[in-house]
Amino acid sequence: GNSVTQMEGPVTLSEEAFLTINCTYTATGYPSLFWYVQYPGEGLQLLLKATKADDKGSNKGFEATYRKETTSFHLEKGSVQVSDSAVYFCALSDYGGSQGNLIFGKGTKLSVKP
Amino acid sequence: ETGVTQTPRHLVMGMTNKKSLKCEQHLGHNAMYWYKQSAKKPLELMFVYNFKEQTENNSVPSRFSPECPNSSHLFLHLHTLQPEDSALYLCASSQDPGTSVDNEQFFGPGTRLTVL
Repeated sequence: GNSVTQMEGPVTLSEEAFLTINCTYTATGYPSLFWYVQYPGEGLQLLLKATKADDKGSNKGFEATYRKETTSFHLEKGSVQVSDSAVYFCALSDYGGSQGNLIFGKGTKLSVKP
Repeated sequence: ETGVTQTPRHLVMGMTNKKSLKCEQHLGHNAMYWYKQSAKKPLELMFVYNFKEQTENNSVPSRFSPECPNSSHLFLHLHTLQPEDSALYLCASSQDPGTSVDNEQFFGPGTRLTVL
């Protein structure tokens, strides 16, 4: 079945460091791909998305490119801030499956130190 | 109110209590979801409602009983829970998973449930 694998955390970085959080997926068909972010004490918020191969999603300085050849959707940011500390979830839209539900990775906790 | 709201934000209950979680979406969406988020486990989809009809029950124990009286409101009724049911319960909504290409889901802040 469809699945998402993302790198284990936690990830600890200094402010202004470069961030990469790896995400790979297994899917039949052509799913849409998402990154959600969960700040402490809050629900999940959509960070960015890509709906087809080679699309690049971007928001708040974060980017991810839908790579069909490597089945990947890695999240990157050139210079992280303390306010980016949160848990990041990679997800795919199981559109070909049951009612277009989302399948989430386990989440990667990011801590950014001043 | 905008977006997706959930009440209460925190709930502590004993194993013999009956309580309900409430979710309301102000986005005009047609689909609503309950998720369970436990420490160190992936986000677990529990129930899906589409146009008020339950379209998915992910093998959830009967001590969790959902109710969707209309497209804007979703409840989760809790009865004789176990301590392992302690978790963050998240509600989400989306436009229409049956036809939406990307099925973007909008989440509420969650209810932190503790079962004693």
